[in-house]
Amino acid sequence: GAGVSQSPRYKVAKRGQDVALRCDPISGHVSLFWYQQALGQGPEFLTYFQNEAQLDKSGLPSDRFFAERPEGSVSTLKIQRTQQEDSAVYLCASRGTGTGGNSYNSPLHFGNGTRLTVT
Amino acid sequence: AQSVTQLGSHVSVSEGALVLLRCNYSSSVPPYLFWYVQYPNQGLQLLLKYTTGATLVKGINGFEAEFKKSETSFHLTKPSAHMSDAAEYFCAVIPHQGGKLIFGQGTELSVKP
Repeated sequence: GAGVSQSPRYKVAKRGQDVALRCDPISGHVSLFWYQQALGQGPEFLTYFQNEAQLDKSGLPSDRFFAERPEGSVSTLKIQRTQQEDSAVYLCASRGTGTGGNSYNSPLHFGNGTRLTVT
Repeated sequence: AQSVTQLGSHVSVSEGALVLLRCNYSSSVPPYLFWYVQYPNQGLQLLLKYTTGATLVKGINGFEAEFKKSETSFHLTKPSAHMSDAAEYFCAVIPHQGGKLIFGQGTELSVKP
């Protein structure tokens, strides 16, 4: 079946512009995650949704970052007034239901990411 | 707070040689443990995971990892490296009480012919 789809694949923005990054999770996956991966680094957690509820947004670096998932499926990560330090790959992942009713032992399925370059 | 340490940001091996990528976690309660691989310009692909049960876990592409509670380690191995194994490898954990997936800094594996 289809995996996690992210668009656009590449985005170049001038400093100060707003950007919106889209994520289509695997159908039926209730959990959705956003990560930021700087060059040469491991992915860093940004935020987490269960259905439409944003349960954890502790990783969002500033109030310029905003994520939503209004219908519990597609999610959008919005960055306002982009800065050069926002340049990174933004990864989206979804997770299904694990064994024994515990979703935490179920792996995350990642999209190919959106590479954002702020000039 | 839970953390993951990958020893060695770059590892280089010859084709056919043993691959050993090291991962240690910090937790008094064993978390769920994962290894992911990332090829250039692609997302992360799950290699294997440990949740409960057998401590030696086999994954895709001939990789395996052993959970050692006494050493708080989850090192990744492959008996014989192939050129196609060249990629970035990430160890990751989810604390046993749940929560987000926490990644290590990654190890870049190079395979020499």
